[in-house]
Amino acid sequence: QQQVKQSPQSLIVQKGGISIINCAYENTAFDYFPWYQQFPGKGPALLIAIRPDVSEKKEGRFTISFNKSAKQFSLHIMDSQPGDSATYFCAARLKTGAGSYQLTFGKGTKLSVIP
Amino acid sequence: EAQVTQNPRYLITVTGKKLTVTCSQNMNHEYMSWYRQDPGLGLRQIYYSMNVEVTDKGDVPEGYKVSRKEKRNFPLILESPSPNQTSLYFCASSARSSYNEQFFGPGTRLTVL
Repeated sequence: QQQVKQSPQSLIVQKGGISIINCAYENTAFDYFPWYQQFPGKGPALLIAIRPDVSEKKEGRFTISFNKSAKQFSLHIMDSQPGDSATYFCAARLKTGAGSYQLTFGKGTKLSVIP
Repeated sequence: EAQVTQNPRYLITVTGKKLTVTCSQNMNHEYMSWYRQDPGLGLRQIYYSMNVEVTDKGDVPEGYKVSRKEKRNFPLILESPSPNQTSLYFCASSARSSYNEQFFGPGTRLTVL
């Protein structure tokens, strides 16, 4: 059972355009929602993250929008650049005990930004 | 340099031959985890550990073992590898505090023939 559904699977955007990646979750016990960026041949790296008590978080060209009632969150990349071409994963954290947690990832979105 | 290291980076082996993938972090992190990445399936958690001698199953633990005897090391053991364990494996670590990020290693590409 996939707990975090991510779409689209792949995305092609022109340079300067807006890239939008969506995720939906089912478990209301998730308490933290990070996005990771992965370049080919590298491990994922944290890009930006949000808590469910916040509706939006912005860091530079990257914005997370969070809709708690709809159980959805999305990543917006403004003024997309070829250097943003990577695979993006949304994730959701679940506390499993005192000081313990589990991170569930979406299946990923491969973003290609063309000049 | 703060980092998570994995060894080996690439491994080709045969069915049934026991292997260990090592993971080490130099950031004094309490939390460590193993993931496998497969095309179309994203990252799936295998095992995680909140501290020395404390390990928990993730979403896909079957066929894997882990141990956490030291804070910095978290090896992944495949006692009898099978072809369906061919995958890209990542180790990650994070500090024990709310909302801290996970730092990922460079990955180990494993092929089981």
